[in-house]
Amino acid sequence: GENVEQHPSTLSVQEGDSAVIKCTYSDSASNYFPWYKQELGKGPQLIIDIRSNVGEKKDQRIAVTLNKTAKHFSLHITETQPEDSAVYFCAANANSGGYQKVTFGTGTKLQVIP
Amino acid sequence: GAGVSQSPSNKVTEKGKDVELRCDPISGHTALYWYRQSLGQGLEFLIYFQGNSAPDKSGLPSDRFSAERTGGSVSTLTIQRTQQEDSAVYLCASTPIGLRGNTGELFFGEGSRLTVL
Repeated sequence: GENVEQHPSTLSVQEGDSAVIKCTYSDSASNYFPWYKQELGKGPQLIIDIRSNVGEKKDQRIAVTLNKTAKHFSLHITETQPEDSAVYFCAANANSGGYQKVTFGTGTKLQVIP
Repeated sequence: GAGVSQSPSNKVTEKGKDVELRCDPISGHTALYWYRQSLGQGLEFLIYFQGNSAPDKSGLPSDRFSAERTGGSVSTLTIQRTQQEDSAVYLCASTPIGLRGNTGELFFGEGSRLTVL
């Protein structure tokens, strides 16, 4: 089955600096790579996603890059703000037995220091 | 609009008791997932529903755990004879199923926090 590894597990940055979180996946059939942000006491919420036919996608201060050959994808947050502090999860969707199985990374706790 | 609703939001129970956790997905979402999140940990897959059937139950930790879905809508996760290690936040997510069986964004509820004393 799919295995998604995520690094780092914790990340502290100064406000205004950039933050980068990296994930690798194992199943070459994975075709959809979402990133979720989880604030304390809430469920995860999608912040950006990328499909396997695209190499990069940007939405204001956040961007995601995908390298299918190397099987890794990354989340980039620029000009970080205190409200970016949360736990971030990457995920990979792959067809499995007729349905799409969603495998999550282990999460990155991001702290933005004012 | 209405999102995914989970109840109860908090449940404290004694070891050995049974508990039921409920998930109301977004109307029309065919796919429904249950995940478990222990304190400070990642998302552990439990079970997947497509309509009322569960083609993947591989994440259920033991036979004390079961889940059902009725009318292609509400799902209930039942834990029998609860143990302290069952303490966690149980998250439900739903999503539509698109062409060729692809799914996209998961819409999560806020979870049910279970504490077993």
